[in-house]
Parts: sequence; structure tokens; C-alpha cells
Amino acid sequence: QQQVKQSPQSLIVQKGGISIINCAYENTAFDYFPWYQQFPGKGPALLIAIRPDVSEKKEGRFTISFNKSAKQFSLHIMDSQPGDSATYFCAASRPGGSQGNLIFGKGTKLSVKP
Amino acid sequence: DAGVTQSPTHLIKTRGQHVTLRCSPISGHKSVSWYQQVLGQGPQFIFQYYEKEERGRGNFPDRFSARQFPNYSSELNVNALLLGDSALYLCASSQLAVADTQYFGPGTRLTVL
Repeated sequence: QQQVKQSPQSLIVQKGGISIINCAYENTAFDYFPWYQQFPGKGPALLIAIRPDVSEKKEGRFTISFNKSAKQFSLHIMDSQPGDSATYFCAASRPGGSQGNLIFGKGTKLSVKP
Repeated sequence: DAGVTQSPTHLIKTRGQHVTLRCSPISGHKSVSWYQQVLGQGPQFIFQYYEKEERGRGNFPDRFSARQFPNYSSELNVNALLLGDSALYLCASSQLAVADTQYFGPGTRLTVL
């Protein structure tokens, strides 16, 4: 119930294409769903996040789509660029207190070919 | 504003030794969380501290301990190091005790030989 399942494990996209990464969860108590971008040797950087009361959130070229009934959410990267090549992690958390920590997926390694 | 800072950047230890990792949160942030990231995996939650009190603990053995100081900086201690403790240790800070909007530092790469 605490897992967040992420797919695909790796993804190759041509420059200008759309990159799509999917995540699924089981715990309906989760109420916060962020996406992080991580470059080799660096810490994860928060990209965009969503809560279950909205179905979509867009920030620049990055969009989260959220399907509460299916317990799935996805990251779409429009007009993918070689600089987007990194590992992307979805995560989830449930409301605060002692359980206020992030549970991460296993990551998707994105390669954008020029 | 400076982001989350961690020290040291890299560390090499041998089995059985002890290690202390340090983290300074973003100014104004009172919560610090520690995560372990094994190569090829997502970060795994170890501890959360808020206002110097432990607020959460992940599924890690008692060899792992942490504390938070009055200036909200934090230390992660690992005793009796095992080869399997080799990982990137990440510190994340946030304003509140809840997990949203966590900002990660660059991490400390620990290698246990």
C-alpha cells in the first residue's frame, strides 16, 4: 500500500517530441504528488507537484495529469530537449505529522536525442 | 538565498566505522528530512526532524540516528558501517512538518569498503 510504481524504467525521445512517464499508487490517503528531476551526481530538484483536487497542472513545458479514480498520475514533457536528459522520479505523501515523508518511485531515465 | 547544503561531498569509510553527515536547511525552513538513495533507485526515507523533534522514522536499523540543532541544521549518524550502507545520502528541507515542497541538497556520497 505504500508503493509508488513508475514506468517506464528508461525512455528515449527525439528532440521536440513528447516524453511521458507514468506512476501508479495504491494508498488512497496520499494527497500530494510531486515530480523530481535528478542529474547525475546531484540531488533531486522539484519540478512540479499536484494535489488530488485537480486533474491537471501545467508549468511551462511540464504537465502533470492526475486520475484519482485510477490512482494514476503522469508527467508530460512537451518539446523535449537534450537538456531534459535526466532521471525523473514521481513521489507521493500522505498528510503530515510523523508520516509526512515522501515515497518515491524507482525512477525513469530519460534520454533526449538531438 | 542559498539552497540546502550538505557536507562532506564524498566520504570513504571501512566496514565497522562510524560516519557523521551534516545538513543545513534553507533559511527559514524548520523541517529536515534524510533520505538514502542507492544507485539506480529512488530515495528512501530515513528520518524527519521538525523543531528539533523527531517526527518520522523510516524502516532503517538502530545504527542510524539523527538530531536537529537549535539553528535547524541536522546531523545523520551511522554506526557499524556495512557495505550495504554505500549510497547517496540526501537531506531535504521544508518550511512545515508535512512532506510537501521539499527541497533537496546535493547529497553526500558514502562509500563503504
